[in-house]
Amino acid sequence: DSGVTQTPKHLITATGQRVTLRCSPRSGDLSVYWYQQSLDQGLQFLIQYYNGEERAKGNILERFSAQQFPDLHSELNLSSLELGDSALYFCASSVGQRTTGELFFGEGSRLTVL
Amino acid sequence: GENVEQHPSTLSVQEGDSAVIKCTYSDSASNYFPWYKQELGKRPQLIIDIRSNVGEKKDQRIAVTLNKTAKHFSLHITETQPEDSAVYFCAAMNSGGSNYKLTFGKGTLLTVNP
Repeated sequence: DSGVTQTPKHLITATGQRVTLRCSPRSGDLSVYWYQQSLDQGLQFLIQYYNGEERAKGNILERFSAQQFPDLHSELNLSSLELGDSALYFCASSVGQRTTGELFFGEGSRLTVL
Repeated sequence: GENVEQHPSTLSVQEGDSAVIKCTYSDSASNYFPWYKQELGKRPQLIIDIRSNVGEKKDQRIAVTLNKTAKHFSLHITETQPEDSAVYFCAAMNSGGSNYKLTFGKGTLLTVNP
């Protein structure tokens, strides 16, 4: 158990819909990262938050947004869903804002868009 | 931004043989290189990392080498065992820059045959 909690574990929805994925980091970790894992693309970095502020942005679509709340949990919002958004979405956390240490991954949220 | 290429995409070895996975990176300022292992259906977990001030690091049966001039780093697994079967991801990051993004390669599926 990494200490990072993600909900829901599985989600099935239809195209055009909106979903919210939730992540609680390890106790004491201030940074939260979101990654998308598709079959052929490996781990694609989406976005990072540190203590409530956005720190780095990757290949995150405009239809996607995220935030980190004062209690440090984070939510990833995916809207106007398309078939291609089907993937495993990982949240990870670390103590600092620079990832020169271990990233602790959650178990992931598997999104299926039909 | 940083680009990490990883080869091979799949690797099959006999139990007891060695396995080598190679990665190249594009940003000469990158100075932190972790390797993550992801077993089937599980979360990625850090197995070893190396910083640019060293050329090699070992931890029991695994080792990582770094060639900064060539912008190349490799994972070496000796005396492979069936439980080494997993997807391995390399990654690179510039810990001193303003971009806190950890960029992953696309992964190598290692299969160790008994």
